[in-house]
Amino acid sequence: GDSVTQTEGLVTLTEGLPVMLNCTYQTIYSNAFLFWYVHYLNESPWLLLRSSTDNKRTEHQGFHATLHKSSSSFHLQKSSAQLSDSALYYCALRGGGSGNKLIFGTGTLLSVKP
Amino acid sequence: EAAVTQSPRNKVTVTGGNVTLSCRQTNSHNYMYWYRQDTGHGLRLIHYSYGAGNLQIGDVPDGYKATRTTQEDFFLLLELASPSQTSLYFCASSDSTSQNTLYFGAGTRLSVL
Repeated sequence: GDSVTQTEGLVTLTEGLPVMLNCTYQTIYSNAFLFWYVHYLNESPWLLLRSSTDNKRTEHQGFHATLHKSSSSFHLQKSSAQLSDSALYYCALRGGGSGNKLIFGTGTLLSVKP
Repeated sequence: EAAVTQSPRNKVTVTGGNVTLSCRQTNSHNYMYWYRQDTGHGLRLIHYSYGAGNLQIGDVPDGYKATRTTQEDFFLLLELASPSQTSLYFCASSDSTSQNTLYFGAGTRLSVL
């Protein structure tokens, strides 16, 4: 079945350094969509950005990600981490046959230190 | 104004107890979902529904029932609660397009003693 892998459970960075959170996925469907959701403490998770077409970069609020179907990846990046970026980040997959449900990865907790 | 409202926000029960978690959405969305969030497991789908009277099995359905009474209301039922069901539960809604965005509620923290 469909699956999403986020290899880092915790990423700790110093403010100002670049951010890269890894996400790979598995699906048999060619028309899969990938998403990044962010969950700040004591808030509801919300959509940060979604994939576009293959090899096209999508951006939102300073973060960007590119869907690479050749490597089944959708890594989240930001050029310079801010203290306010500290949160739990989920990569999610909507495969073509999954009946409109999203499959979430296990999440990566990003902690940005001064 | 919150478009997905969960109640209660916190609940404590004992093993074997009966618990109902409620969710109401005012987004006019077809789809509603129940997820549980646990450290090391992320968000896992329990049940979901694409309309009143419909129920779809998620990835971790054991020990849970759900019912969608109206387009707005989706309930999660734990009829014999166990400590393994201690978790943070999120309800969400979405429309039916393939690039759906999930809109989450504020969550219900359940403790089963």
